[in-house]
Amino acid sequence: KQEVTQIPAALSVPEGENLVLNCSFTDSAIYNLQWFRQDPGKGLTSLLLIQSSQREQTSGRLNASLDKSSGRSTLYIAASQPGDSATYLCAPPGSGGSYIPTFGRGTSLIVHP
Amino acid sequence: DTGVSQDPRHKITKRGQNVTFRCDPISEHNRLYWYRQTLGQGPEFLTYFQNEAQLEKSRLLSDRFSAERPKGSFSTLEIQRTEQGDSAMYLCASSPTTRQGPNTEAFFGQGTRLTVV
Repeated sequence: KQEVTQIPAALSVPEGENLVLNCSFTDSAIYNLQWFRQDPGKGLTSLLLIQSSQREQTSGRLNASLDKSSGRSTLYIAASQPGDSATYLCAPPGSGGSYIPTFGRGTSLIVHP
Repeated sequence: DTGVSQDPRHKITKRGQNVTFRCDPISEHNRLYWYRQTLGQGPEFLTYFQNEAQLEKSRLLSDRFSAERPKGSFSTLEIQRTEQGDSAMYLCASSPTTRQGPNTEAFFGQGTRLTVV
């Protein structure tokens, strides 16, 4: 069974800092990995999708890297803003060649002015 | 396209009642997923459809839960004889299959918040 761990569990930073959110997963035989953002009481918003053949994917101030062999992905947030406050979830697929997104508990981020 | 739509957004029900939720995926997305999320946890997979076929069910999906996707478009999730432990956010997601294969992006709806009293 795919197990997903995100570190840190929570993060509180002042506006303007560059951030690193870490994701590790146990089954590295994955097709892709997706990063999501979730605001309190809301659904998930897709941020980035990295294919297994890629090492990085960028969208605006967000950059996600994938090291499939070591079972790790990292989300970098540049110049953080209060509007970035949310829970960030990474989702590799499940085990055994599945492509069903599998989640850990996420990283809860607060960016204060 | 307006994205994945879920209805209702909120539902309060008494213990023992049946409830049904609806999910309308993004048009032409042949894959549809249901998840459950409790406070402080990530979404937990419940079940998955490819077109109208229910291909995978989690052990979390007890016999009180049933899901359907009769024409391969919208889906319903029914919970019978609700219990307080069923209180959670129920999330639906969809994704397409492309000629390049299954490595596609999943899109989520806003969820249905169920409270069992």
